[in-house]
Amino acid sequence: GQQLNQSPQSMFIQEGEDVSMNCTSSSIFNTWLWYKQDPGEGPVLLIALYKAGELTSNGRLTAQFGITRKDSFLNISASIPSDVGIYFCAGPKNRDDKIIFGKGTRLHILP
Amino acid sequence: SQTIHQWPATLVQPVGSPLSLECTVEGTSNPNLYWYRQAAGRGLQLLFYSVGIGQISSEVPQNLSASRPQDRQFILSSKKLLLSDSGFYLCAWGEGLNTQYFGPGTRLTVL
Repeated sequence: GQQLNQSPQSMFIQEGEDVSMNCTSSSIFNTWLWYKQDPGEGPVLLIALYKAGELTSNGRLTAQFGITRKDSFLNISASIPSDVGIYFCAGPKNRDDKIIFGKGTRLHILP
Repeated sequence: SQTIHQWPATLVQPVGSPLSLECTVEGTSNPNLYWYRQAAGRGLQLLFYSVGIGQISSEVPQNLSASRPQDRQFILSSKKLLLSDSGFYLCAWGEGLNTQYFGPGTRLTVL
């Protein structure tokens, strides 16, 4: 079945560094969603992508919908302490009312 | 604007006791509703989803059940909790497959 693989599983970076993470699938997706979950809270939608090749920004965050429709990328520029959390990619399952999620990339920022 | 509420925020229950978690949505009609569970440091596991009143689809066989007595109310229940039921329970709503919006979550600890 459809699965989303996120890479890396976790990242340890210095404040101010740029961050790059990705999400891949063996199946084609028509929508890619990126969420962030702060500790102890529900995930919050960051960016939604609806068209292959689309590049969308939300402040310091930029996400791209891969040309093959089988991957998506999320970049964070000049990281700050509040960027800490788990980043999930997600996409709708074919012909279903469900969205499937990757297992997340956990971002840690070193003091 | 739409809002989603969950209560209680935290819950500590003994093994074998019943469970009832509630989720309500405001500002939308006939939403799709979802229950997820998240184990500590892990991804999101879809438990149940509903596309309308009284319509429940179960993703994972277990000792939990869900009900949707009203259009914007989704309830997660158990007759007898197990230790393995501990986790962070998230309710979400969506319109079609474009995206999902999450509630603040309920942290359940079964002792």
